[in-house]
Amino acid sequence: DAMVIQNPRYQVTQFGKPVTLSCSQTLNHNVMYWYQQKSSQAPKLLFHYYDKDFNNEADTPDNFQSRRPNTSFCFLDIRSPGLGDAAMYLCATSRDPTGREKLFFGSGTQLSVL
Amino acid sequence: QQPVQSPQAVILREGEDAVINCSSSKALYSVHWYRQKHGEAPVFLMILLKGGEQKGHDKISASFNEKKQQSSLYLTASQLSYSGTYFCGTGQGAQKLVFGQGTRLTINP
Repeated sequence: DAMVIQNPRYQVTQFGKPVTLSCSQTLNHNVMYWYQQKSSQAPKLLFHYYDKDFNNEADTPDNFQSRRPNTSFCFLDIRSPGLGDAAMYLCATSRDPTGREKLFFGSGTQLSVL
Repeated sequence: QQPVQSPQAVILREGEDAVINCSSSKALYSVHWYRQKHGEAPVFLMILLKGGEQKGHDKISASFNEKKQQSSLYLTASQLSYSGTYFCGTGQGAQKLVFGQGTRLTINP
């Protein structure tokens, strides 16, 4: 059974048109992460939540926002997607916020920007 | 600070061994290893927390050196299913896991 679920699997949007990616988890983990992964590159952390506490990486563009309405769901909003935002977006969860517990990844959303 | 992985790419024949290294200039809280196949999410392999620790299952194992600045992943008698990109992720403080640039492993029959 899938434990971290991302929808949709593929998302196509137009340049400048807002888009929202979703992630849900059945693990009841405190920590949820959003990573951006471009082709042949490492996953890059955008931000994460520890419970309701939001932690933004210093180099994450303002164009990227996130919401976590409850433990199970987390959303990534891209306010005005540019061509450079085309990437795989990975949601992950863990029990512990210190990096000492493994990450459970969703299957990702491949975002294309036309 | 992104950990450095080496080599960047490896090509093996089935049954051969490989070693992938992950190093940092600072002591690390933890080291994670993940394998990712093209178009899929990373899959957890193992995590090391203590200096000097060694861990493994089946024919994949890893070590974490005493100073906690380097980890190595060992793939023994490689199988076709081992193909993919291997990432180390290093814990560098509270609430943060940073991934290395990845090592692409290709296993040929």
